Amino acid sequence: QVQLVQSGAEVKQPGASVKVSCKASGYTFTSYGISWVRQAPGQGLKWMGWISGYSGKTNYAQELQGRVTMTTDTSTSTAYLELRRLRSDDTAVYFCARAPVEQWLNWFDPWGQGTLVTVSS
Amino acid sequence: QTVVTQEPSFSVSPGGTVTLTCGLTSGSVSTNHYASWYQQTPGQAPRTLIYSTKTRSTGVPDRFSGSILGNKAALTITGAQADDESVYYCVLYMRSGISVFGGGTTLTVL
Repeated sequence: QVQLVQSGAEVKQPGASVKVSCKASGYTFTSYGISWVRQAPGQGLKWMGWISGYSGKTNYAQELQGRVTMTTDTSTSTAYLELRRLRSDDTAVYFCARAPVEQWLNWFDPWGQGTLVTVSS
Repeated sequence: QTVVTQEPSFSVSPGGTVTLTCGLTSGSVSTNHYASWYQQTPGQAPRTLIYSTKTRSTGVPDRFSGSILGNKAALTITGAQADDESVYYCVLYMRSGISVFGGGTTLTVL
């Protein structure tokens, strides 16, 4: 079955960087994209961006431009999210989700289990 | 900046029907926004219900349906059950090339 398994929880200091992984299985990785969505404690879902598993093309939320990088390793069917210059308001659960290779189709299914990133001094 | 709007909360009786909506602070929602809907319970990852406005995801019962109602996307739940009590999120694709989630609707079944 289609499954996305994310890396474990992280605790980072303000100003540091974090890299979260998302390993896909059960489908052809390069036929889909991966989207990343985060959820701050007690808050709603927020789309962070999308990466094509086929071409590596990315599209990021404007407010994260310059701090975020999404990459893939097609040899291991793994997607990565790197977020730099962390701030306390980056504390959230980060989800990856399989997405269409045509990003405009706008669906996310299935989702990874989520990775809690805590930013604290 | 256009914001995606959802009712903050809604209540439905067991067995009843409820329609949750997903709108825009500026303009109308159309099929070109490729609305999708997700159900989330506390501590869990979201579950996909509907994509491309009205297509049910695999395994989703047909009492969940999606549509365009007036100038909004809509999720209708018929025959509400206790385990439908969740937060429901819609997400729209914008012409600028980004996806935007609504704030979520907390559905209570009582």
